[in-house]
Amino acid sequence: QQQVKQSPQSLIVQKGGISIINCAYENTAFDYFPWYQQFPGKGPALLIAIRPDVSEKKEGRFTISFNKSAKQFSLHIMDSQPGDSATYFCAARVGSASKIIFGSGTRLSIRP
Amino acid sequence: DAGVTQSPTHLIKTRGQQVTLRCSPKSGHDTVSWYQQALGQGPQFIFQYYEEEERQRGNFPDRFSGHQFPNYSSELNVNALLLGDSALYLCASSLSPGVGELFFGEGSRLTVL
Repeated sequence: QQQVKQSPQSLIVQKGGISIINCAYENTAFDYFPWYQQFPGKGPALLIAIRPDVSEKKEGRFTISFNKSAKQFSLHIMDSQPGDSATYFCAARVGSASKIIFGSGTRLSIRP
Repeated sequence: DAGVTQSPTHLIKTRGQQVTLRCSPKSGHDTVSWYQQALGQGPQFIFQYYEEEERQRGNFPDRFSGHQFPNYSSELNVNALLLGDSALYLCASSLSPGVGELFFGEGSRLTVL
């Protein structure tokens, strides 16, 4: 119940296309859902985050879509660029806890 | 403004040895969390320190221990190293224990032979 399931494991998208990464969870106590971006040799960096009372959040080319009833959320990267090539992690946190639980990651490659 | 800094960046140990990893949080942050990231996997929560106390712990054995100093810096200690402890160890800091935004360092790559 403490898991966040992420798919796909890897994704290849053409430059200018839309990249979509999906995550699902079971624990309804999760109250904060961040997405992290990690480049090789670097630590993860927060990209965008959402709370379950909002169905969508957009920041530039990055959008989170959140479906509370289905317990699913997804990251959409519009107009994908080669510089977006990285590993993306969805995550979740229980409000009463401090730890953030990460998905297994999606390795995204944008082809020029 | 310095971000989260970790040392050492790489180290090699043999089974049974002990290791200490160090972390300095981002300026203004008082909470430090440690994560283990195996190759090709997402980070796994080890524990969190706030006010020099361990506040929460993940599913890791007692061989993993830590400490937080009055200047908010932190150490992660792993005793009796196993091959399976080989991983990237990430330190993350935050403004407080309840704040969701974590700022990660670049990690310490531990290889156990």
